[in-house]
Amino acid sequence: EVQLVQSGAEMKKPGESLRISCKGSGYSFTSYWISWVRQMPGKGLEWMGRIDLSDSYTDYSPSFRGHVSISVDKSISTAYLQWSNLKASDTATYYCARMGTSFGAYYFDYWGPGTALTVSS
Amino acid sequence: DIQMTQSPSSLSASVGDRITITCRASQSINKYLNWYQLKLGKAPNLLISAASTLQSGVPSRFSGSGSGTDFTLTISSLQPEDFATYYCQQSYSLPWTFGQGTKVEIK
Repeated sequence: EVQLVQSGAEMKKPGESLRISCKGSGYSFTSYWISWVRQMPGKGLEWMGRIDLSDSYTDYSPSFRGHVSISVDKSISTAYLQWSNLKASDTATYYCARMGTSFGAYYFDYWGPGTALTVSS
Repeated sequence: DIQMTQSPSSLSASVGDRITITCRASQSINKYLNWYQLKLGKAPNLLISAASTLQSGVPSRFSGSGSGTDFTLTISSLQPEDFATYYCQQSYSLPWTFGQGTKVEIK
C-alpha cells in the first residue's frame, strides 16, 4: 500500500526556520517525483514545487521560489520542505503528493495527510 | 501562468441530484486536466486524470470530459459522501495551477 506519512503540526515564531518531512512507503520511492502543495486557511490549493527523487532536481513555482527549499534523503525515502525565515503568512497546511504519470499526463495520485503550520509571535 | 477558473464556487444539492462543475483554462491545455476531491481533515483524493480517466476505486458516478480550455466534472447521482470541495488542476505547463475550488453542500 502506497503511503505518504508527514511530520506533525508545528507552531513557530516569525523569523524561525523549519523543515517538515514526507516519508514514502509501499512503492519504489525514487521512481516518482514528489510535489508540495499549500492550502492557506479557508483558501484553495497552490502548487509550490516538485523534486525528482532520483537526482534531487527541483522546479519551483515563481510564487515560492527563494522562500522555500525542497530536498530529499533517498536513504530514508523522505522528502523535505524547508524555510529559513518564516513569516506569519506561511501559516497553512502543507501537503506532499506523489506525482503519477501516464501517456505524458502528470497528476497527484497519492497525498500525505498534511502538516499544519502556525506562525505567530 | 495558466489561470484555472471553476464555476460555480459553491452549490447546494440534494442526494440523488446530478451536478456538473465547470473548469476553464486561460489557454489551451490539451487534455492535461485533473480533478480532486477534498474533505475537511483528509488528504485530497484524485478522482480523474487527463480530463476523463477515472481513477481506480473511484465510483462510476463521477465522470470528466473536455479538452482545450473547457472541462467538466459530473456526478450523476450525488451521494452523502460526495459533499466536499472539488478542485481542477492543469498539468500542461509549469507552474501547475489549481482552480479556486467548488464547494458542494447539502441542500
